[in-house]
Amino acid sequence: KAGVTQTPRYLIKTRGQQVTLSCSPISGHRSVSWYQQTPGQGLQFLFEYFSETQRNKGNFPGRFSGRQFSNSRSEMNVSTLELGDSALYLCASSLEAALTQYFGPGTRLLVL
Amino acid sequence: DQQVKQNSPSLSVQEGRISILNCDYTNSMFDYFLWYKKYPAEGPTFLISISSIKDKNEDGRFTVFLNKSAKHLSLHIVPSQPGDSAVYFCAASAINSGYALNFGKGTSLLVTP
Repeated sequence: KAGVTQTPRYLIKTRGQQVTLSCSPISGHRSVSWYQQTPGQGLQFLFEYFSETQRNKGNFPGRFSGRQFSNSRSEMNVSTLELGDSALYLCASSLEAALTQYFGPGTRLLVL
Repeated sequence: DQQVKQNSPSLSVQEGRISILNCDYTNSMFDYFLWYKKYPAEGPTFLISISSIKDKNEDGRFTVFLNKSAKHLSLHIVPSQPGDSAVYFCAASAINSGYALNFGKGTSLLVTP
């Protein structure tokens, strides 16, 4: 089975811009979660989508949003980028029970 | 607040010996625990997990121990191999938070020949 894929792998943006990241889960997985990894804060949960609905949300500002499509693919959007948004953004998928999550390679975002 | 803590940022072990990575948590609602391994510029790779109804789970060279009363878990790797050198993350989740993973800051393991 193919693993979780994320595109693009690397991205450079400037402050104030917006960005959209994409994630394709493992075939058959219906839950997709997003995490942010930074050197200071470590890995932090952003949100989780299941059957096109946001089921769970972490403690991030409203500039961070996402959606899930009927084929379980998910996108994450960050508006009005700030320097502090520079991070590795990881997507993880899991079966319905969402106990074990399998991660993609991540998208490295640099905000200048 | 950091609910999952890995107090050792790094660990060095000789090849063939046992590696023991430790993790403490503060939230008594956590009921599922996982260990992930991560190489630079890659996503975390799932290694092993344990439910709160168990105190031990084995998978090949990897064993996870859970001590609920102490809110402590550990990952044992026996025997350690140079290819095990990576950053290891402990994660915990709870059904009442939708199983969102709470991660520790990681322990960098170096296995020397």
